[in-house]
Amino acid sequence: GAVVSQHPSRVICKSGTSVKIECRSLDFQATTMFWYRQFPKKSLMLMATSNEGSKATYEQGVEKDKFLINHASLTLSTLTVTSAHPEDSSFYICSARKGGADTQYFGPGTRLTVL
Amino acid sequence: DAKTTQPPSMDCAEGRAANLPCNHSTISGNEYVYWYRQIHSQGPQYIIHGLKNNETNEMASLIITEDRKSSTLILPHATLRDTAVYYCIVSGSGGSNYKLTFGKGTLLTVNP
Repeated sequence: GAVVSQHPSRVICKSGTSVKIECRSLDFQATTMFWYRQFPKKSLMLMATSNEGSKATYEQGVEKDKFLINHASLTLSTLTVTSAHPEDSSFYICSARKGGADTQYFGPGTRLTVL
Repeated sequence: DAKTTQPPSMDCAEGRAANLPCNHSTISGNEYVYWYRQIHSQGPQYIIHGLKNNETNEMASLIITEDRKSSTLILPHATLRDTAVYYCIVSGSGGSNYKLTFGKGTLLTVNP
């Protein structure tokens, strides 16, 4: 199998606070993990690509100082939304790629609501 | 920009085959065709992928035309739980070509 989990599944926070989202590959080692964002009724947009042990590569228009990504092990990547604001409210989804293979497997997503 | 074109919506009767088309006329030689689906408020689910040969797994079949400019995803016996947005994506192999660019997909509604 290829199972990816995310935690938390849902989070509500106050404006100005930081939120950390975890993405784990449960039954395989993921050399590369990806973070996406999806606004209501829109498609997924890639935010960044992270390889284990190296700095993440951010897509154009994504602020790297606001969306901190850490990929410290082959099974865990974290996304921290710093100083969150209401416009950051969205559905955040991670995916993981098995080493040596191209297919990405997605987590269930995290619904972030910033009040 | 997404490199594929899909109809925005399709309907299918429960128990019948669902055939979802996708055009990818600018696909290059080392690019694969991937299919994912997303059920409301969940992460995308991998279905199948192929390069040039037809592929089949426990979920679906993928038919790729000989010129590779289009493909069809076939769900042989659609159920109500197959109602979802289906994404057809072309993606290369290696380096930054691993990226998946999601378009708007096809909303498949399976009716009882």
